Amino acid sequence: DQQVKQNSPSLSVQEGRISILNCDYTNSMFDYFLWYKKYPAEGPTFLISISSIKDKNEDGRFTVFLNKSAKHLSLHIVPSQPGDSAVYFCAARRSGSEKLVFGKGTKLTVNP
Amino acid sequence: DAGVIQSPRHEVTEMGQEVTLRCKPISGHNSLFWYRQTMMRGLELLIYFNNNVPIDDSGMPEDRFSAKMPNASFSTLKIQPSEPRDSAVYFCASKWANTGELFFGEGSRLTVL
Repeated sequence: DQQVKQNSPSLSVQEGRISILNCDYTNSMFDYFLWYKKYPAEGPTFLISISSIKDKNEDGRFTVFLNKSAKHLSLHIVPSQPGDSAVYFCAARRSGSEKLVFGKGTKLTVNP
Repeated sequence: DAGVIQSPRHEVTEMGQEVTLRCKPISGHNSLFWYRQTMMRGLELLIYFNNNVPIDDSGMPEDRFSAKMPNASFSTLKIQPSEPRDSAVYFCASKWANTGELFFGEGSRLTVL
């Protein structure tokens, strides 16, 4: 049972445009969400996070939006750059637990 | 500042052989996690430790898998005997307990022939 779902395996955008990566979750007990970025042959690296008490968190070109009623979050990258090309993982954690549950990832390609 | 260090980076072995993967967490971190990445299942948590104590091993596939953390700076994941379906990238990650961000190693790519 996939508790964190990233339904788009891949996404391709032009440099300078917006990239929107989506993530859905099923467990209403999740209260903390993170996005990780992964380049080939490297481990995932933390990008941005959001607590369930917020609906938006921004860090430079990266913004994460959380819609608790829809159990949906999204990562916006504006403007997209070729160096953003990577696999992006959505992850969620339940209150009181240390376990991070990951989605399967979305491969983003930013074309020059 | 050194990150999470995993070894070996690549391992090719034959079915039935024992495999041992090693991890050195970031100094000062007191939580350690072992994840496995496959195309079919994505990143799945195998086991995690707090203060060297296994807390949740419900993700360990079967008895062929075992993990230990003898001290705060070292952990092993052992597969015995290995099978072709164990082929995957195994990641170790660490963090301070009660914080959100996990720091991952570069992974160990295991191929079982």
